[in-house]
Amino acid sequence: EVQLVESGGGLVKPGGSLRLSCAASGFTFSNAWMSWVRQAPGKGLEWVGRIKSKTDGGTTDYAAPVKGRFTISRDDSKNTLYLQMNSLKTEDTAVYYCGYSSGWYVDYWGQGTLVTVSS
Amino acid sequence: SYELTQPPSVSVSPGQTARITCSGDALPKKYAYWYQQKSGQAPVLVIYEDSKRPSGIPERFSGSSSGTMATLTISGAQVEDEADYYCYSTDSSGNHRGVFGGGTKLTVL
Repeated sequence: EVQLVESGGGLVKPGGSLRLSCAASGFTFSNAWMSWVRQAPGKGLEWVGRIKSKTDGGTTDYAAPVKGRFTISRDDSKNTLYLQMNSLKTEDTAVYYCGYSSGWYVDYWGQGTLVTVSS
Repeated sequence: SYELTQPPSVSVSPGQTARITCSGDALPKKYAYWYQQKSGQAPVLVIYEDSKRPSGIPERFSGSSSGTMATLTISGAQVEDEADYYCYSTDSSGNHRGVFGGGTKLTVL
């Protein structure tokens, strides 16, 4: 059974940084493409970015609103996905979901972790 | 930037057929995917690659795509199908950036 557990959310001031983690189990993490998707309170889903498996190049892609501020990385030895968020803005306030991707989309989702950016 | 457009809401009575549309210029060349999100829960994939249904998803859920429009059809909608539905696809850039539609609130009552 695929399990994804996000952690690291919390309250941070504008301009601050935060790192989210996503612990994965139930599948071969090193072969998986992984994604981050966020959802602002009361709003729709927004794709944040993805990282391919190392065998597929390990490259990352980002949505325009976060490119240059957010970095997705992975530690295959720990079956863990990360999202480093810098220069945070109030509009980054959202529930952040990690997702297991068998392709260009998300097959399975974690339960999410809330990030609140406020002074 | 690339956009997918969905109606904000659709309402049907139990047992009726609900259809939710998603329009996007790249859909003739890109697959559409559909997610169901019930209140307070994480999304669940209900249709992938336009019309394929993941295991465990009821047969009443089906998908189709023609031209610039993809459609999610729920045949004989049940009260438990009441949820927000999001279409998803990728843009035409070489990086295949993901894009979600704005979401459709399905009311079954």
